[in-house]
Amino acid sequence: DVKVTQSSRYLVKRTGEKVFLECVQDMDHENMFWYRQDPGLGLRLIYFSYDVKMKEKGDIPEGYSVSREKKERFSLILESASTNQTSMYLCASSLSRPGGSGQPQHFGDGTRLSIL
Amino acid sequence: AQTVTQSQPEMSVQEAETVTLSCTYDTSESDYYLFWYKQPPSRQMILVIRQEAYKQQNATENRFSVNFQKAAKSFSLKISDSQLGDAAMYFCAFKDIYGGATNKLIFGTGTLLAVQP
Repeated sequence: DVKVTQSSRYLVKRTGEKVFLECVQDMDHENMFWYRQDPGLGLRLIYFSYDVKMKEKGDIPEGYSVSREKKERFSLILESASTNQTSMYLCASSLSRPGGSGQPQHFGDGTRLSIL
Repeated sequence: AQTVTQSQPEMSVQEAETVTLSCTYDTSESDYYLFWYKQPPSRQMILVIRQEAYKQQNATENRFSVNFQKAAKSFSLKISDSQLGDAAMYFCAFKDIYGGATNKLIFGTGTLLAVQP
């Protein structure tokens, strides 16, 4: 089975701090994703990466950056945390197939981040 | 832009009964994929079922089946013989087949399903 591991289940940080959320997958997937999940809003894509050192903005990239130095690891960075970034953050990965296929995404357990 | 709508924020079903969760979507494409994901209270999202738009036959996975109405852009999930373990948040998701290899998904806002013993 695919294993997507997020480094923390719960995290509490202060406004203005630089925050790192780490995600590791063990199935050699090319694609990795960061979402935030908020009640009534579903999952919204922050950033995704389709290869090492490659990244693309999702729907809500403002205030976030990402890093993918190795294929198995995808980091989400909050450059200067703010209270409106308090949320559940989900990491996912998937295989890449030419032409776009129905490969499912595999998710981690999520990190509940509180910014005080 | 594609959108996915789940109009039922919460649903409830008695154990052993059948429940249907609704999902509609909007797209101008003819080929795409649709998914239902389940997020139990432990929070790991897992794939329940997948449907290819070019297949007329509705997908089925054990007690889970879909009613895919392409013309109406409707993709409902039916859970038969509901079990306590089915209690979860359910998300409908859309993937444009022409989105390339990156497999970007568009999610609905979710339906929270409660199963009553």
